[in-house]
Amino acid sequence: DTEVTQTPKHLVMGMTNKKSLKCEQHMGHRAMYWYKQKAKKPPELMFVYSYEKLSINESVPSRFSPECPNSSLLNLHLHALQPEDSALYLCASSQAGTSGSHTQYFGPGTRLTVL
Amino acid sequence: SQQGEEDPQALSIQEGENATMNCSYKTSINNLQWYRQNSGRGLVHLILIRSNEREKHSGRLRVTLDTSKKSSSLLITASRAADTASYFCATGLLGGYQKVTFGTGTKLQVIP
Repeated sequence: DTEVTQTPKHLVMGMTNKKSLKCEQHMGHRAMYWYKQKAKKPPELMFVYSYEKLSINESVPSRFSPECPNSSLLNLHLHALQPEDSALYLCASSQAGTSGSHTQYFGPGTRLTVL
Repeated sequence: SQQGEEDPQALSIQEGENATMNCSYKTSINNLQWYRQNSGRGLVHLILIRSNEREKHSGRLRVTLDTSKKSSSLLITASRAADTASYFCATGLLGGYQKVTFGTGTKLQVIP
């Protein structure tokens, strides 16, 4: 199974709402990632979790709060977002470790619209 | 920023022709990967080439890497309409394998 699943596929929320994006993988990967992708732009790294610990935070605003409750799940909690946060949010996973080059497997993404 | 730049930004070819996309980057890398993205969907990994490799093949794909010029190319031979997608190169940092930075992408259209 090389699948990364993301829910929901689409999300529309107001600026005062609180919502969560979910990501799941069952490949035994111990590194998981959140990316943000605006239209016609490349994905931009937001967070990296390695062995369920946050290892990289690319200076993301605190209105985005990641959580890795176990090795298979990754959440992104959203609160008080701005319209400019509307984008495709992609989750990915890969092997973890201190050496080697690890392919990232991506989910289909959540299309987020902030009104 | 280590973000790669891809050339061309857009490419339109007839089915059966070959498509070549180029990627340039700025700093030393551990590896370079190519991904495909169909419109508004997740990315699919195509091929990874390590910094000590010069060329790699996978089916109709051929990737080259020139670390002295900090550049890579992706060749898709005998293109098909199903190859229509955006293609991104992604560089893995030397010693920082978990951080992958994506290039600007090439939008490929294959006309049947």
